Amino acid sequence: GAGVSQSPRYKVTKRGQDVALRCDPISGHVSLYWYRQALGQGPEFLTYFNYEAQQDKSGLPNDRFSAERPEGSISTLTIQRTEQRDSAMYRCASSLGTLTGGNEKLFFGSGTQLSVL
Amino acid sequence: GNSVTQMEGPVTLSEEAFLTINCTYTATGYPSLFWYVQYPGEGLQLLLKATKADDKGSNKGFEATYRKETTSFHLEKGSVQVSDSAVYFCALTSGGSYIPTFGRGTSLIVHP
Repeated sequence: GAGVSQSPRYKVTKRGQDVALRCDPISGHVSLYWYRQALGQGPEFLTYFNYEAQQDKSGLPNDRFSAERPEGSISTLTIQRTEQRDSAMYRCASSLGTLTGGNEKLFFGSGTQLSVL
Repeated sequence: GNSVTQMEGPVTLSEEAFLTINCTYTATGYPSLFWYVQYPGEGLQLLLKATKADDKGSNKGFEATYRKETTSFHLEKGSVQVSDSAVYFCALTSGGSYIPTFGRGTSLIVHP
């Protein structure tokens, strides 16, 4: 597609349920990133992939969070046993190539707003 | 570690006013600095960047100069338009990690 697409746009779930958030990056983009953004805050890094390989997952807050990108294109961020503190905007971004110094340019999707009741 | 501090918003201006949004940073090594903009209902998009000290990034009438001595990268525009109303995020990459660290964002509201 023309841009980074995320679905669903809004997700309301009950505490304890699992959720899966989808990201479809710009066609041909090698790298894909997941960020979380709390209200009034900037995006906070969670994890990223080069092709299908997860390069860095240091930002995932705990083991209830996981992500995959099995074919090097679409990615899914899964949150198990959701808690109210997981409520936030989850943003996906992609980049044409792997990031190098001075050439970082991320293209962001509109995000998935997750609300855990 | 790396961090970015932005002035709190919202910043409210009349059309054609001068804009400054302050950004200061803490980083290891020699960071690259960025401004991203988020229009309502859209994702963040890169506005401008600067990769070394004294560089000036510019785009769409916006400018920011990389000031190593004051660890700052303030965003300026000489005459804002209603269409500039958005949230502006300062960001950096440094320390061998090219994944951007973002500030909290500053909301700009421009009135006709």
